[in-house]
Amino acid sequence: EVQLVQSGAEVKKPGESLKISCKGSGYSFTSHWIGWVRQMPGKGLEWMGIIYPSDSDTRYSPSFQGQVTFSVDKSITTAYLQWSSLKASDTAMYYCARGATYSIYWGQGTLVTVSS
Amino acid sequence: EIVLTQSPGTLSLSPGERATLSCRASQSISNNYLAWYQQKPGQAPRLLIYGASSRATGIPDRFSGSGSGTDFTLTISRLEPEDFAVYYCQQYGGSPRTFGQGTKAEIK
Repeated sequence: EVQLVQSGAEVKKPGESLKISCKGSGYSFTSHWIGWVRQMPGKGLEWMGIIYPSDSDTRYSPSFQGQVTFSVDKSITTAYLQWSSLKASDTAMYYCARGATYSIYWGQGTLVTVSS
Repeated sequence: EIVLTQSPGTLSLSPGERATLSCRASQSISNNYLAWYQQKPGQAPRLLIYGASSRATGIPDRFSGSGSGTDFTLTISRLEPEDFAVYYCQQYGGSPRTFGQGTKAEIK
């Protein structure tokens, strides 16, 4: 069974750094792109970009380029989304999803709250 | 970037009625690479349709997708109580991938 399991909710202060995770199982982790999607409170879905675990080839949406960093650790079949300096506007639910096109498999989401 | 505009913003219907949701693209989507998702409160999105008209595995046949180029439609032939949710279209024919802003189907 394909599963994407994300790390738990985070509460951070502005300016802090954060790295959230998405662990894939039940499939060949290095053979499928992993994407990240943001959903701000009460709002719609925003495609942030994708990473290919085999070689860490990364494609960011222009809206998120320079704001976040994607990475993977193949040895533990885990993808990461990280921020170096959080802002209040980063408060959102973040989903990982398998695939560079449409996504059948999604993580359960990680809620990130940034507040002073 | 391809901008997707969904209409209406909210659809108020009764169970058993037919729902027609629209997704219009700012430019033609290559190969009709358009998907539809359903999202319920507190849940991750669920893929319904890909390639504009192909149902994902396990999706009831009351859900159908149609359209090409810049105009696409998701039709729910007879609304069941569990179908009241938010629906998003997403294009994957261009980069970056983009989503529409969503249509909420609510019980009238």
